[in-house]
Amino acid sequence: ETGVTQSPTHLIKTRGQQVTLRCSSQSGHNTVSWYQQALGQGPQFIFQYYREEENGRGNFPPRFSGLQFPNYSSELNVNALELDDSALYLCASSFDSTTDTQYFGPGTRLTVL
Amino acid sequence: QQQVKQSPQSLIVQKGGISIINCAYENTAFDYFPWYQQFPGKGPALLIAIRPDVSEKKEGRFTISFNKSAKQFSLHIMDSQPGDSATYFCAASNYLTGGGNKLTFGTGTQLKVEL
Repeated sequence: ETGVTQSPTHLIKTRGQQVTLRCSSQSGHNTVSWYQQALGQGPQFIFQYYREEENGRGNFPPRFSGLQFPNYSSELNVNALELDDSALYLCASSFDSTTDTQYFGPGTRLTVL
Repeated sequence: QQQVKQSPQSLIVQKGGISIINCAYENTAFDYFPWYQQFPGKGPALLIAIRPDVSEKKEGRFTISFNKSAKQFSLHIMDSQPGDSATYFCAASNYLTGGGNKLTFGTGTQLKVEL
């Protein structure tokens, strides 16, 4: 059974740029959630995708957007990067949208200069 | 607004001792309470979880105690080992209006187990 994988591992961008982060969910899982973890903080929920549709969103501006593909992999896109967007971005997958248990990937460390 | 409060922020325990981390929540819609362990540079790993209809759950050296009326829950790590040194997060799950669910995390406890 393959766990949750994310790419890239690290990324450095400058303010105002756009970034795309990728996630492959655990085998058999059709629901993907994205979280932002600032240094020294707990993860904050960004949004969740189920069968290619967004089915929930946290308190993040519209410049944070996502996609889920037919194979249940997912992308997180962030436009107009700000310094405060520097964080560890975590993807978590679950069996389906009603399943509480979420399994996290290793994350992508984004640094905005 | 922080909906899950976690304490202490950091904890030092001697090898073989008991580590205790506490969390409190406000939202009564929460219905699933997992604990995650995170090592530096890694994603959170699910450790153990409980639902509010159970007062205690034990898996190996890890035990969750849950007090629904007080809206509090805690993680006990028995016979703590140096390999347990990590950051621990409590979390709570509730359903989203769109049909999914989200986790709300505490601020984390940095545990160090000394020899």
